[in-house]
Amino acid sequence: EAQVTQNPRYLITVTGKKLTVTCSQNMNHEYMSWYRQDPGLGLRQIYYSMNVEVTDKGDVPEGYKVSRKEKRNFPLILESPSPNQTSLYFCASSFAGSSEQFFGPGTRLTVL
Amino acid sequence: QKEVEQNSGPLSVPEGAIASLNCTYSDRGSQSFFWYRQYSGKSPELIMFIYSNGDKEDGRFTAQLNKASQYVSLLIRDSQPSDSATYLCAVKLTGGGNKLTFGTGTQLKVEL
Repeated sequence: EAQVTQNPRYLITVTGKKLTVTCSQNMNHEYMSWYRQDPGLGLRQIYYSMNVEVTDKGDVPEGYKVSRKEKRNFPLILESPSPNQTSLYFCASSFAGSSEQFFGPGTRLTVL
Repeated sequence: QKEVEQNSGPLSVPEGAIASLNCTYSDRGSQSFFWYRQYSGKSPELIMFIYSNGDKEDGRFTAQLNKASQYVSLLIRDSQPSDSATYLCAVKLTGGGNKLTFGTGTQLKVEL
């Protein structure tokens, strides 16, 4: 089944404790992206990747890191999480040149 | 002015009626337009996309695009309670590559 997977789906952590949210897709998509979704603010792009080893900042990159060592994986790293990073996070992917993005199931993160 | 604007709603329609969801965008050069449906706590799901002026129909859904007015809409015919969700308008802005810019969404409630 073609899909985007994320892990974990739910995470409660404390300020300053490094964490990684994984994202994997099995559709051979070149483009992958991370979004956060907050009430009243909609979906905002954090980082994106056009292909392996090619990443760039989105609209709200502060406090986040990413890497793209393999085509299928695009982990999101929070080196020192803070409460303002409490949010619902989505990973998405698409073929290069196409904006028809497919979303993962989401990760609900709470930072205490 | 926001790049993509939607009325947050809620928009309430009776079962069987036509629901009309609207979206305006600021970038006159935008070429691709998408409608996503998002159930509460779930990930966005692509339901329609449109690239050319006019109407595009898919089952009970019709997307309408008017580039001169910078306006895109989604009509849902014979609305069902299962259509109750938040509908996100997304636009591929000029020079944005694969990036989509999302509106904040319109909540639709279909009442029995």
